[in-house]
Amino acid sequence: ILNVEQSPQSLHVQEGDSTNFTCSFPSSNFYALHWYRWETAKSPEALFVMTLNGDEKKKGRISATLNTKEGYSYLYIKGSQPEDSATYLCAFDDGNKLVFGAGTILRVKS
Amino acid sequence: DAEITQSPRHKITETGRQVTLACHQTWNHNNMFWYRQDLGHGLRLIHYSYGVQDTNKGEVSDGYSVSRSNTEDLPLTLESAASSQTSVYFCASSETPGNEQFFGPGTRLTVL
Repeated sequence: ILNVEQSPQSLHVQEGDSTNFTCSFPSSNFYALHWYRWETAKSPEALFVMTLNGDEKKKGRISATLNTKEGYSYLYIKGSQPEDSATYLCAFDDGNKLVFGAGTILRVKS
Repeated sequence: DAEITQSPRHKITETGRQVTLACHQTWNHNNMFWYRQDLGHGLRLIHYSYGVQDTNKGEVSDGYSVSRSNTEDLPLTLESAASSQTSVYFCASSETPGNEQFFGPGTRLTVL
């Protein structure tokens, strides 16, 4: 069974702190890497879909990088705000389906 | 606006009963997916479909079935509900493989 690992499992930061999470995935059969943001009592929403080694994507204060050769992706949040509190999921895409990691729970205190 | 809906949003049933969860999308997406949310596992894939009459098993398909008779709907059936199937179920769709998936609001199922 394909293994997608995310670390840390949870993170508590102060408002204004910058933070980052890691997603590790197999380097074989890679098609794309997805990041989703999942707020409590809501549905997951896509942040980024990345396909190329070295890809960097940015949306506001959130950015992500991708290394397909070594099988990892980083998600960065600059100047965390309370509204950033959510679970951040990454998913390995083999071109047919997604395999999700267990997620990183972020809590931002004001 | 296009959307993806699930019904019911909450369901309580008894062990051994057959249960069907509905998923309907108006994106006109070919690809549809069913996941269950479990603590420590994130989202796990149950079944998926690439188009009408196509269905495929995911990681945790035992005890579940799906059918795809049209583009818009992918109902998930629990043939004989078990307590281990108590979970929150999410349906999703995407335009093509490699595109972002759009998720429904989820169905919370409790099997007593």
